[in-house]
Amino acid sequence: EAGVAQSPRYKIIEKRQSVAFWCNPISGHATLYWYQQILGQGPKLLIQFQNNGVVDDSQLPKDRFSAERLKGVDSTLKIQPAKLEDSAVYLCASSLTQLNTEAFFGQGTRLTVV
Amino acid sequence: GEDVEQSLFLSVREGDSSVINCTYTDSSSTYLYWYKQEPGAGLQLLTYIFSNMDMKQDQRLTVLLNKKDKHLSLRIADTQTGDSAIYFCAENSGGYNKLIFGAGTRLAVHP
Repeated sequence: EAGVAQSPRYKIIEKRQSVAFWCNPISGHATLYWYQQILGQGPKLLIQFQNNGVVDDSQLPKDRFSAERLKGVDSTLKIQPAKLEDSAVYLCASSLTQLNTEAFFGQGTRLTVV
Repeated sequence: GEDVEQSLFLSVREGDSSVINCTYTDSSSTYLYWYKQEPGAGLQLLTYIFSNMDMKQDQRLTVLLNKKDKHLSLRIADTQTGDSAIYFCAENSGGYNKLIFGAGTRLAVHP
């Protein structure tokens, strides 16, 4: 079974630029999550999708971050414009359903904003 | 509010047992998890425990849950160098499998 795929693995951009990350969850998984992991901290949930609908985006900085999962499969997370404090690893995860089932994580995209 | 706390660092000798501790705040959490993160890798689920259980054993791993004190621990028996990693405790919150993670405990295993 293929795991959660993310790209790119690494990205370096200047502040005020835009960046987009892509995630392909495990086939058949209805729930998709984007987490932000700042160096030295645990992952923090940014947004959770159930199929193509948003379940929780309470910690997503909506003035600069956006995410979509148009067909209920792949997802993109965008930052526009980026700030220095956005430097982090962005982790995508998926689970079969949203009800207490195991979440599988991708390897993440490491973003450096300079 | 939701919060999960862990000690940041643990050093053990190879072959000894490791015990990583965690405290959480959300008493309504139905599951509590331990994830492992190796350098440059994503998070790997090690084990989890349902909130109405006190203990769960899985090969070298033993999870203890004290729901009254909101305290969770992970014991790794016969710790090996391959166990060196960061271990995250997490609680699920809000009924939608939203995971709240601690800051992680870095486990260093030395000969």
